[in-house]
Amino acid sequence: NAGVMQNPRHLVRRRGQEARLRCSPMKGHSHVYWYRQLPEEGLKFMVYLQKENIIDESGMPKERFSAEFPKEGPSILRIQQVVRGDSAAYFCASSPADSGANVLTFGAGSRLTVL
Amino acid sequence: SQQGEEDPQALSIQEGENATMNCSYKTSINNLQWYRQNSGRGLVHLILIRSNEREKHSGRLRVTLDTSKKSSSLLITASRAADTASYFCATDPFGGNEKLTFGTGTRLTIIP
Repeated sequence: NAGVMQNPRHLVRRRGQEARLRCSPMKGHSHVYWYRQLPEEGLKFMVYLQKENIIDESGMPKERFSAEFPKEGPSILRIQQVVRGDSAAYFCASSPADSGANVLTFGAGSRLTVL
Repeated sequence: SQQGEEDPQALSIQEGENATMNCSYKTSINNLQWYRQNSGRGLVHLILIRSNEREKHSGRLRVTLDTSKKSSSLLITASRAADTASYFCATDPFGGNEKLTFGTGTRLTIIP
C-alpha cells in the first residue's frame, strides 16, 4: 500500500512558466483534496475532487489555477503563468468514499519554487 | 481570525514533560482532528474526536473537546525527542461539505 503519491517532490519554475503537480490517491480512495502551505503557516484548502468531478473549488484562485481528477490517472493541479507568490508546498490528500468521518491521508507534498 | 487557531504558536519543553496545545474554532462541527507534521513532510492523522465526545485517549495522546467553548486541547504525556513537530487541529464542519479546515499549528520542540 503505497499511500498518497505526489510528484514531483520539488519543482523550480521561472515566472510565467507552467507548473503541473500530480497526485495519485491511496488505493481505494476516490476523494482527492489539494491544500497549499506557505512557510511557517497552516494549510489552506484549495479544491476537492472526486473522479471526473470538481466538488468544491472555493479555495482555488479563479485565474491561472485549475485541477482535474480524470477517470484514469492521477489528479493534476495546474498553475499557469506562475508568479513568485505561488511558491509554496502543495499537499494532496485522499479519503475513501462515504467514510463517515473525514480522515485524510496526505502525500509528502510538492514544493514549488518560482524564480 | 480563521477557523481553527492553535495556541501557543510555538512551545519548547524538556524531554519527559507533558505538552499541551489548544485549538479554538468558530463553526459547528461533526468532529475535530489533530494532525502532526514533521519538517518537510506531509501531515499524519493522530486522533479524531466527535462532537458528542468530551475526551479521547490514544497512547500518550489525550484530546478534549468543549463544544460550548468551541475549543479542543491536545495533551502529549511523557514527551520524547521524536515528538518534535508541528501539530495542527482540523475541523470537519457540520453540514457535510466534506473539507477539513486546518489551523495555523503549534510548533513543538522537545529538548533532549
